[in-house]
Amino acid sequence: DAGVIQSPRHEVTEMGQEVTLRCKPISGHDYLFWYRQTMMRGLELLIYFNNNVPIDDSGMPEDRFSAKMPNASFSTLKIQPSEPRDSAVYFCASSLSGTSGTYEQYFGPGTRLTVT
Amino acid sequence: DAKTTQPTSMDCAEGRAANLPCNHSTISGNEYVYWYRQIHSQGPQYIIHGLKNNETNEMASLIITEDRKSSTLILPHATLRDTAVYYCIVSVYSSASKIIFGSGTRLSIRP
Repeated sequence: DAGVIQSPRHEVTEMGQEVTLRCKPISGHDYLFWYRQTMMRGLELLIYFNNNVPIDDSGMPEDRFSAKMPNASFSTLKIQPSEPRDSAVYFCASSLSGTSGTYEQYFGPGTRLTVT
Repeated sequence: DAKTTQPTSMDCAEGRAANLPCNHSTISGNEYVYWYRQIHSQGPQYIIHGLKNNETNEMASLIITEDRKSSTLILPHATLRDTAVYYCIVSVYSSASKIIFGSGTRLSIRP
């Protein structure tokens, strides 16, 4: 398996522009997570989906952020409009639930976003 | 809000066992202890988890005290590739979809 795939790996954009980050989870996994990592705040959970349905978006910083999962193999995280403080590494992760929960999350390589 | 306390940094000689402590004094009966690590510029990687019994896999061993208020992750023969930030996380297992990462321990392996 190719693992969790994220694109682009690097994104540089100007303030005010729309940014779309993409994620392809591991085939068969039913949970998908979006995280953001910065030096100041560490690794933060933004939102997660179960069977393509958003379960908890309490970590989404504000209305400028939105996430969708139109099918089991694709998710997007959109920032509109982007701001310099959105600069961070964004990780996508997926996991497979079973009778014992979802303890093992598989992370993608991340997208490094720079907003100037 | 992380429920765990870890040292900020540690170092270990290559080939020796690396013992990473974690305090979780407020852990609940249905909460598990998970360990992840993050090698520089990569996404976090799951290592091991446990409830109250000691656990071992191909990567590491997890020792949980009898009162479950602390645990130790053991890398039996540390290599340079084990240099990473190690996160100790406490979370409910049955609905463990939400994992809160703290600041972790930065482990440096010296040659």
